Formats: sequence, C-alpha cells, structure tokens
Amino acid sequence: NAGVMQNPRHLVRRRGQEARLRCSPMKGHSHVYWYRQLPEEGLKFMVYLQKENIIDESGMPKERFSAEFPKEGPSILRIQQVVRGDSAAYFCASSPQAQEGYTFGSGTRLTVV
Amino acid sequence: SQQGEEDPQALSIQEGENATMNCSYKTSINNLQWYRQNSGRGLVHLILIRSNEREKHSGRLRVTLDTSKKSSSLLITASRAADTASYFCATQETSGSRLTFGEGTQLTVNP
Repeated sequence: NAGVMQNPRHLVRRRGQEARLRCSPMKGHSHVYWYRQLPEEGLKFMVYLQKENIIDESGMPKERFSAEFPKEGPSILRIQQVVRGDSAAYFCASSPQAQEGYTFGSGTRLTVV
Repeated sequence: SQQGEEDPQALSIQEGENATMNCSYKTSINNLQWYRQNSGRGLVHLILIRSNEREKHSGRLRVTLDTSKKSSSLLITASRAADTASYFCATQETSGSRLTFGEGTQLTVNP
C-alpha cells in the first residue's frame, strides 16, 4: 500500500505559466481533498472531490484554479497563469468514507519565480 | 472564520515531560481529529474522537473532547525528542465532510 502519492515533490514555475499537481489516492479511497499551506500556517481547504464529481469547491479561488478527479487516473489540481502568491505547499489527502480520518500525501511545493 | 484554534502556539519541554495542547472550535461537529506534521512533510493522522465520545487513548496519546465548551485537548505523555513537530486539530462538521484545520502548535522536545 503506497499511501497517497503526490508528484512532483517540487515544482518551479515562472509567472504566467501553468502548474499541474497530481495526486493518486490510497487504494480503495474514493474521496480526495486538496489543501494549501503557506509557511508557518495551517492548512486551508481548497476542494473536495469524488470520482468524476466536485463535491465542495468553496475554498478554491474563482479564477485560474481548477481540479478534477477522472474515472481513470490521478486527481489533478491545475493553476493557470501562476503568480508569486501561489507559492505554497499543496497537499492532497484521501479517505475511504466521508467521515473518516484522512491520509495525506507528502505535498507538492510550488515556487513561482 | 477560524474553526479550530490551538493553544499554545508554541511549546518547549524537556524529554520525559508531558505535553498538553488545546483546541477550541466554534460550530457543531461530527468529529475532531489530531494530526502531526514534521517540518516539510505531510500530515499524519493521530487520533479521531467523535462528538459522542469524551476521551480516547492511543499509546502515549490521550485526547479529550468537551462539546459543551467546544474544546479538545491532546496530551502526550513521557515525551521524546522524536515528538518534536507541529500538531494540528481539525474538525469535521455535522453537515459536511471537509476537515477545517487550526493554525497548529509547534512542540519542541529538548533531549
């Protein structure tokens, strides 16, 4: 059981480029969550997905950010036209049921230069 | 608004001592969870306590929940240097599924 796999671990993008962050949940987990963490801060919820459905995207910025969890393949968090303020650690988590503890991935550290 | 708020923000103790961290929240919850994060790493789930439970144990960890005061505490007994990490509480509200995290307590255990 490989746990929640996120890649890449580190991603550097120039302002205006696109960033794609991938997350493969634990085997048997159909609930996926994305969080963002700024240095020395807690995690801020972004989006909650189940296979092919966005359940709660209330934490997602209205522009430039999108997420998907297709029937086949990993969940993708996509940030278009990145800005310096997007620099953060992005964590993905999964759970087998909605009201259970999460298993987190190791995160993707995005740096926008 | 901030749901889970940990107290203190930072705690420094000697190895062997007990560490107590507190968490307060604002709304009704289905459960409250504690997570640990080592510097630069992902979060690790420690313990989940449901709203109808008052106390739970796991190894050297003891968690209490007081729904009337909307607060929880995490006690780590006989601390070790390896317990040095940030500890976060997170709540799951009755109506939804997402976890809402607090800002965390940074625990340093000195050898």
